[in-house]
Amino acid sequence: EEQLVESGGGLVQPGGSLRLSCVASGFTFSNYWMHWVRQGPGQGLVWVSHIQRDGSFTDYADSVKGRFTISRDNAKSTLYLQMNSLRVEDSAIYYCVRDLWGREDHWGQGTLVTVSS
Amino acid sequence: DIVMTQSPFSLAVTPGEPASISCKSSQSLLRSNGRNYLAWYLQKPGQSPQLLIYVGSNRASGVPDRFSGSGAGTDFTLKISRVEAEDAGVYYCLQGQQTPFTFGQGTKLEIK
Repeated sequence: EEQLVESGGGLVQPGGSLRLSCVASGFTFSNYWMHWVRQGPGQGLVWVSHIQRDGSFTDYADSVKGRFTISRDNAKSTLYLQMNSLRVEDSAIYYCVRDLWGREDHWGQGTLVTVSS
Repeated sequence: DIVMTQSPFSLAVTPGEPASISCKSSQSLLRSNGRNYLAWYLQKPGQSPQLLIYVGSNRASGVPDRFSGSGAGTDFTLKISRVEAEDAGVYYCLQGQQTPFTFGQGTKLEIK
């Protein structure tokens, strides 16, 4: 069974940092672009970042550029999101997504990040 | 950024009746390969979004054939031929034409 399992979410104060992880199983992780998408409480979906198959190319939403860093370890089949200088408005469920909008699109269950003092 | 606008905001449908959701983009989603980079998702309560349609009109694996996607350029439609109770949730369109990839605001489907 193909799975994406996120972890690393939690409660953090404004200005703090968190690192999210997403472990993939049941498929060849290195064959896919990977994405992070977030959803604020009671809100819609927002694309955050993506990374190329070999990690050589990344891109970010303007709202997180310079604060968040996406990376991957294909040997460990793991996707990461390093989040620094967190703001209250970064509070959301963060989803790890394979092949967003493509034929093999697949989402994890999400991990909740709460930024609050 | 490409702005995605869905309508209606919500709709309530009787089981067995059809439903239709519109999605309009502020720029064309048509690429030179002839494909429209538009996807449709359903997010059921408490669940992650699930892909229904990709490149405008292709049904994802396991999606019932009562779901269909159509349209090109900037105007797209998701149709459900006969709504079932399990179709309740929020539907989103997503453009994959350029980053930042952007979602519509969502359309909530309620079952009467």
